[in-house]
Amino acid sequence: GIQVEQSPPDLILQEGANSTLRCNFSDSVNNLQWFHQNPWGQLINLFYIPSGTKQNGRLSATTVATERYSLLYISSSQTTDSGVYFCAVRRNHGETSGSRLTFGEGTQLTVNP
Amino acid sequence: NAGVTQTPKFRVLKTGQSMTLLCAQDMNHEYMYWYRQDPGMGLRLIHYSVGEGTTAKGEVPDGYNVSRLKKQNFLLGLESAAPSQTSVYFCASSYRMSTGLAGETSLAKNIQYFGAGTRLSVL
Repeated sequence: GIQVEQSPPDLILQEGANSTLRCNFSDSVNNLQWFHQNPWGQLINLFYIPSGTKQNGRLSATTVATERYSLLYISSSQTTDSGVYFCAVRRNHGETSGSRLTFGEGTQLTVNP
Repeated sequence: NAGVTQTPKFRVLKTGQSMTLLCAQDMNHEYMYWYRQDPGMGLRLIHYSVGEGTTAKGEVPDGYNVSRLKKQNFLLGLESAAPSQTSVYFCASSYRMSTGLAGETSLAKNIQYFGAGTRLSVL
C-alpha cells in the first residue's frame, strides 16, 4: 500500500512563531487532506488539497503532486493550534477501493504561551 | 445538518462481551468508513462501504464485522471483544467520487467527513 511519512514527529513552539509540517507519500494520489486533532480527540478538516496551494487564515497548504509531498504552514501560532496534525492520502487507482484514506502518524504540535 | 454522528461516545467492555457502534450521516453520502486510532498513531481503516448493502475489508478488519443496511447508517460490531481492541474508533463518510470529471467541485466530493469518535476500553 501507499506509505505516508510526516515530519517532524514532534514540534514545540513559542506563541507567535511560524512552522512548516511536511507530508511525503509514496504513490500518486487523488485525495490529500490535512486534519487537526485537538486535545479532545476531535478531527477537524483543515484542507482538501490533492494539488496546488490553499490558504485559510493563518494556515496554508501546498501539495506538489509530481514530487509527492505536501506542506502545511502555520503562521503566528497560537496555543489553540496545539494538537496533532495528520496528513491523509488516497491512491490514484479509481473507485473500486472507495475513497479510503491512508494516514500518516502525525506531527504533535505544542504551542507554549 | 448534524454531519456524522457516532454513538456511543464512550464504552467499557469486559473481554468476550459484544457490542455495536453506530455511525449515522445525514449528508446522503455513498461511502462510509470505520477507522481505529491507537496511541501515537494515525488512523487505520477497519472496514468500509461503497454503498447500501455493500461492505469491504480495510487494513485491519480482523475481529470486526460491519453492516450497511441503510444508506445513512454504518454499524461496526465486535462479537467477542479483546483488550487489543481498546482504541478510539472514528467513522467517516464521503460522496461517491466521480472520476473522469473535471473541476474542483467534482474532486471536492472526495473529501471525508469524520465523526467525533468513540472511546472503547476492553478490560
